[in-house]
Amino acid sequence: GIQVEQSPPDLILQEGANSTLRCNFSDSVNNLQWFHQNPWGQLINLFYIPSGTKQNGRLSATTVATERYSLLYISSSQTTDSGVYFCAVENTNAGKSTFGDGTTLTVKP
Amino acid sequence: AAGVIQSPRHLIKEKRETATLKCYPIPRHDTVYWYQQGPGQDPQFLISFYEKMQSDKGSIPDRFSAQQFSDYHSELNMSSLELGDSALYFCASSPTGTSTNNEQFFGPGTRLTVL
Repeated sequence: GIQVEQSPPDLILQEGANSTLRCNFSDSVNNLQWFHQNPWGQLINLFYIPSGTKQNGRLSATTVATERYSLLYISSSQTTDSGVYFCAVENTNAGKSTFGDGTTLTVKP
Repeated sequence: AAGVIQSPRHLIKEKRETATLKCYPIPRHDTVYWYQQGPGQDPQFLISFYEKMQSDKGSIPDRFSAQQFSDYHSELNMSSLELGDSALYFCASSPTGTSTNNEQFFGPGTRLTVL
């Protein structure tokens, strides 16, 4: 099956700093999503981005499908950004998603 | 906006007992997915349904079964529970399972603890 690698595995930032999270995948994909899992376990949709660039407030994402990677940018980080960020891809047309191992982000005040 | 509803939110069972988890997808979403997330792990795909038919199957134990009903809600039935089944179980729904646009929306999860 498809392999999904996220980096870095852990990231500690001071409030206000910027960061870039990366997701590499081993095969072409139909869909790619970024999620934020908050400390209460909820998976929150950030971006649905099989290709191109999207922005939502302080967050933006870029997927270069031909080179099999996606980037999530977080600017002016806040303590509420803490949690685990997952990249999930789908490449079977059946819809199931394969998740990466996640990046655990800690933003310190 | 309506979201995916899962019940119960928390469940505690003894080993060898059975459990039933329920999922109510977003209205007009015809595809439902089940994922299992163990402690410190990423979510792992279990099974999915499109228009009440099983559309894909992942690493779901034989002790587990699931179905999607005529109103599109889904139930995950778990029997002979083991300690290792303790996990967060997510249901997700998407508007269609066969097009190229199947953004998945996740419910809040059911946290199952097996004692």
